[in-house]
Amino acid sequence: DAGVIQSPRHEVTEMGQEVTLRCKPISGHNSLFWYRQTMMRGLELLIYFNNNVPIDDSGMPEDRFSAKMPNASFSTLKIQPSEPRDSAVYFCASAPGDSHPYEQYFGPGTRLTVT
Amino acid sequence: AQSVTQPDIHITVSEGASLELRCNYSYGATPYLFWYVQSPGQGLQLLLKYFSGDTLVQGIKGFEAEFKRSQSSFNLRKPSVHWSDAAEYFCAVWMYSGGGADGLTFGKGTHLIIQP
Repeated sequence: DAGVIQSPRHEVTEMGQEVTLRCKPISGHNSLFWYRQTMMRGLELLIYFNNNVPIDDSGMPEDRFSAKMPNASFSTLKIQPSEPRDSAVYFCASAPGDSHPYEQYFGPGTRLTVT
Repeated sequence: AQSVTQPDIHITVSEGASLELRCNYSYGATPYLFWYVQSPGQGLQLLLKYFSGDTLVQGIKGFEAEFKRSQSSFNLRKPSVHWSDAAEYFCAVWMYSGGGADGLTFGKGTHLIIQP
């Protein structure tokens, strides 16, 4: 199993630009999570999906952030426009869902730097 | 709201010595508890988990953790650390809301430094 795949691994962009982060969950998992990690706030849940449907997006910091899951094998997290305070490591995680919703497997993360 | 506290930001241990990392949680019922490890530049790897039953759980890499309900704690231990154990360790809680999978609530992490 390839595990959770995230791309890109590193992203450097200028303030105001659109940024799209991508995630491919583990095959067969039907829950997907996006987390953000910063020194100040630690790991925070942004949004999660069950069977491709967004369940709770209360962690999304503001309207500049949006996430989609068009199918069971792909999700995106978009920031538009990006700001320097969005600089962080963004993790995607997937879980088996109904059987073991709590066993979350994390991807390697995308390190985003907004200048 | 549930919360997780890891009181030690940094811990330094000599190689071969024993280790205990502390974790306390705040939650109205017994949560599902986890320890994750994050090596530099890497994602999070699950070390062990507690759901119910035996309060002493074994994990990978020689780690164990003990759930103590009376203290709302889930401390991670290892009898003899190796230099490769140097990493960031996160305690996490999962709460079942009845609506399906929910996200984990993480502590701020403990940075483990191994002295030769």
